[in-house]
Amino acid sequence: GAGVSQTPSNKVTEKGKYVELRCDPISGHTALYWYRQSLGQGPEFLIYFQGTGAADDSGLPNDRFFAVRPEGSVSTLKIQRTERGDSAVYLCASSSKKPTMGQGPDTQYFGPGTRLTVL
Amino acid sequence: GDSVTQMEGPVTLSEEAFLTINCTYTATGYPSLFWYVQYPGEGLQLLLKATKADDKGSNKGFEATYRKETTSFHLEKGSVQVSDSAVYFCAPPPGAQKLVFGQGTRLTINP
Repeated sequence: GAGVSQTPSNKVTEKGKYVELRCDPISGHTALYWYRQSLGQGPEFLIYFQGTGAADDSGLPNDRFFAVRPEGSVSTLKIQRTERGDSAVYLCASSSKKPTMGQGPDTQYFGPGTRLTVL
Repeated sequence: GDSVTQMEGPVTLSEEAFLTINCTYTATGYPSLFWYVQYPGEGLQLLLKATKADDKGSNKGFEATYRKETTSFHLEKGSVQVSDSAVYFCAPPPGAQKLVFGQGTRLTINP
């Protein structure tokens, strides 16, 4: 079975432009996560979906960032009015179980990431 | 809230040396614990996990034991190889939904 895929693998854009990053989770995985990773840092949580709904979007840095998962499978992370500070690798992960209180998520499987460069 | 404290890197060892990377956590209850690895130029991969207290996760010669008494999940390997050079992340779960990653520990193994 295929793993998590992300497109594009690289995206170069100019400051102020709009970008969309796509994530295809593992088939059947109900949970989907977005992270971003800056050079030399660990992944920073952005948003988590359970099915079609955003269960936790507390990691989104501001209202320029938005993510959707309309059919509970593919997800798109959208960034408006990009800034140079948005440059990072954006990671997507999926898992098969719904986390419950006191228990963390099931194993997350990560995609290869999209490297976003804002000039 | 739940959190993790991971040994700071970088760590440089010679081939066949013994490796320990420390990780301690705070969490509500006894949630699953994970170690992830990121090889150069690649994405994050699950290295091993433990789903309950006293469990030992193992993979590729690496081991970690979930110790509730010391709230630790230290990563160990008896004899490291050059191919183990990577960044290692200890990721205990914060709350219920998401993973919290620290900066990771960059491991370099010299031949």
